[in-house]
Amino acid sequence: GQQLNQSPQSMFIQEGEDVSMNCTSSSIFNTWLWYKQDPGEGPVLLIALYKAGELTSNGRLTAQFGITRKDSFLNISASIPSDVGIYFCAGLNYGGSQGNLIFGKGTKLSVKP
Amino acid sequence: NAGVTQTPKFQVLKTGQSMTLQCAQDMNHNSMYWYRQDPGMGLRLIYYSASEGTTDKGEVPNGYNVSRLNKREFSLRLESAAPSQTSVYFCAISTGGLGYTFGSGTRLTVV
Repeated sequence: GQQLNQSPQSMFIQEGEDVSMNCTSSSIFNTWLWYKQDPGEGPVLLIALYKAGELTSNGRLTAQFGITRKDSFLNISASIPSDVGIYFCAGLNYGGSQGNLIFGKGTKLSVKP
Repeated sequence: NAGVTQTPKFQVLKTGQSMTLQCAQDMNHNSMYWYRQDPGMGLRLIYYSASEGTTDKGEVPNGYNVSRLNKREFSLRLESAAPSQTSVYFCAISTGGLGYTFGSGTRLTVV
């Protein structure tokens, strides 16, 4: 089945640093999504990307839909302690037989004040 | 996580016991999902339901059963719990192009 390779698995950074994480796939997707999961909570949608090449920002977050439709990255600028959590990428194709959202394994972000 | 309610939030079971995890949505969407989350494994799909009255297996269905009681509710049942089923369980609904909305999870420990 389809799989997403998300990297890095974990990051330990200093407050104020920028963060970059990415996802790659052997398959193309119609939509890329980025979620954040706070400790003890379910994942929450951060950014949705719908077009190849699209670059979208949400505050300090910037994400891009790769031109080949097989990859996406998420950048966080000037990290703060509340950025701590697990970030998941997800690829979405409409239709399909086993649910239509495929998740990466997550990037665990730790921020030192 | 407004719109998707999971109960209970925490549960401890003994090996061999059974239990049902409940999920209810108030967003009137057709598709509902059950995932389990384990450290380093990401989110793995257990079962899903594309519409009322239909259910399908996901990646890791063994040891689980599901019921789509009506459009609102999708329950996950463990008939004979095993320690390997210790995990965090999430229910989700599909909101089309915005992906999924998740509940806040059920933390299950099987001893």
